[in-house]
Order: sequence, then C-alpha cells, then structure tokens
Amino acid sequence: AQSVTQLGSHVSVSEGALVLLRCNYSSSVPPYLFWYVQYPNQGLQLLLKYTTGATLVKGINGFEAEFKKSETSFHLTKPSAHMSDAAEYFCAVNRAAGNKLTFGGGTRVLVKP
Amino acid sequence: GAGVSQSPSNKVTEKGKDVELRCDPISGHTALYWYRQRLGQGLEFLIYFQGNSAPDKSGLPSDRFSAERTGESVSTLTIQRTQQEDSAVYLCASSRKQGPDTQYFGPGTRLTVL
Repeated sequence: AQSVTQLGSHVSVSEGALVLLRCNYSSSVPPYLFWYVQYPNQGLQLLLKYTTGATLVKGINGFEAEFKKSETSFHLTKPSAHMSDAAEYFCAVNRAAGNKLTFGGGTRVLVKP
Repeated sequence: GAGVSQSPSNKVTEKGKDVELRCDPISGHTALYWYRQRLGQGLEFLIYFQGNSAPDKSGLPSDRFSAERTGESVSTLTIQRTQQEDSAVYLCASSRKQGPDTQYFGPGTRLTVL
C-alpha cells in the first residue's frame, strides 16, 4: 500500500523567505508524484508533477520539487514567498499502473508580511 | 475551456436523509474520480470511473455510498441515510485517460449533516 507523509501541518514563513514543504512517500512500485495547491474555498490546482526523466521539476508560480528516490522524498520549494502563496498544499502519489491519488495530510502555509 | 463543475456547492441535510452530489467532468475526459476531504484531514479516494464502469470502488466507506456515471459524462454520488460523520467536502476530478494522468479538480460540494 502507498502512503504519503507531509511533515508539518502548518508552516509560517515571512514574505520573501524560502518556502520548504516536505513530502515523503512509500510505494512498492516507482511512483508518479504530484503537488497540488488549494486556495480557500476552491478546488485543488496542480502545481507540478514528476513522472519520469529529470528529477528536478519546475511548476507554476515559481515552485519546484526534486524527486529523490534514495530518500523517498519529493520536497516542494520556492525561493521567495509571496503573500499570494498562502494556501494549503498537498503532496500526492499515483502508482505507475494505477489511477487513484493517495494524498498526504496537507500543509497550510501562512505568509507573514 | 470549462473546468470540472460540481453541484450543489453547499448542501445542508438532516441525519437520515439521502443526498445526491453531481459532477460534470471536462469534456473528453474519460476518467472520473471522487474524493472526500473531512475537516482538518487530507483527501480520501472514494471511487474511480473509466467511461461508465467503476474499476475501483475500494474507497467507498459503506454500502450507504454509491455512484454512477452516464457514458463519459456526468457522475452522481449518492449517500443514503446520511450520518454526521459524512459531513465533508466531496471533490470530483477528471483526467483525459486512465493511468497516472493529471487529475483536474472541481470546486467541491460541502456537505453538512445536522
């Protein structure tokens, strides 16, 4: 069975500071990995995904994530936080041959001015 | 183009009543998914459709939950004899094809069972 762990249910960062959201997964087969963002009262929007190839993946809004197989991690970063980054972020995994997404518990990001 | 739409956006019901939640996927998307997001928790998979068949129903929490899909179009999730623990946001997603393709999410239906 797959599982996804997001370290820290809440993260507070200052505007302009580095954003680092941690995601570790367990999967018996090579996974496909996703980060989604959920703004208040909205659905989930895809930030970026890793399927195959280059392990450093760039997404929208200046976010990127690196797949590290040896560490079973897919941490999300953004060099400089903006007030508009305040949202909840979900890491998810999908088996290469499967369909459903297994989500982590989410990390709510607060950006302080 | 139009994204995934869901209706109603909010539903308040009394314990024991039946409810129907609707999802309109993106046109041409063959795969459709239902997830549940309870307060303060992550998303739980409920059911997946490929066309109008459901190869994976493993996430449906009880036999009070059922879902159907008409062709490659609208899906409805029905909860019978609702309980307070059914209160959650129910999210629908669709993707172009089965497999690990990007899933596009609707805004969700917030269900409150009193």
